Amino acid sequence: RKEVEQDPGPFNVPEGATVAFNCTYSNSASQSFFWYRQDCRKEPKLLMSVYSSGNEDGRFTAQLNRASQYISLLIRDSKLSDSATYLCVVNMEMGRRALTFGSGTRLQVQP
Amino acid sequence: DVKVTQSSRYLVKRTGEKVFLECVQDMDHENMFWYRQDPGLGLRLIYFSYDVKMKEKGDIPEGYSVSREKKERFSLILESASTNQTSMYLCASSLLVGTATSGSFDEQFFGPGTRLTVL
Repeated sequence: RKEVEQDPGPFNVPEGATVAFNCTYSNSASQSFFWYRQDCRKEPKLLMSVYSSGNEDGRFTAQLNRASQYISLLIRDSKLSDSATYLCVVNMEMGRRALTFGSGTRLQVQP
Repeated sequence: DVKVTQSSRYLVKRTGEKVFLECVQDMDHENMFWYRQDPGLGLRLIYFSYDVKMKEKGDIPEGYSVSREKKERFSLILESASTNQTSMYLCASSLLVGTATSGSFDEQFFGPGTRLTVL
């Protein structure tokens, strides 16, 4: 079982749609969670951190479910510019200053 | 504006060659990382460093070594390149928040990547 697992997609959605991705992680002791965005042939960039109480940044909402060990990303009112691969990132080992990246979920927003 | 640069965007080497990949950051970050990214496998951590001359193995260190002689520079070395090391290599840096063994994680800033092909 992968430590951080994501549906690779692609998720093909029309502009204006709401889309949600989930990511599961294997270590119940994980404390830090993030979503990164990677455009085609570009480097990953931080989209948002995920806090225990859930957090929102404009059209993007991130949530954490510790009991079921997954995090989610909800995108409302999708734009063409949201087309990218979304990487789920988790710290898998306490006391170790390294993060584990999921292999990403590809989103394609269509006109 | 934060910046992480990598020495080459594309590199072609032959099996058995020694390969150096250089990464430089101008943000005075303590942490630096080397990843490789392969289709379906995502980013996998090779090595990281949280201070000058300090290094720790990541998840796939075999066949690689690193060097951090200066805070701003982190080098990845392939002692004897093999075809299975053909990949996209990404360098990243971040601030150290807390101590080296505890604390929170700050945003990682990535370089543009080096596409390495080993023939």
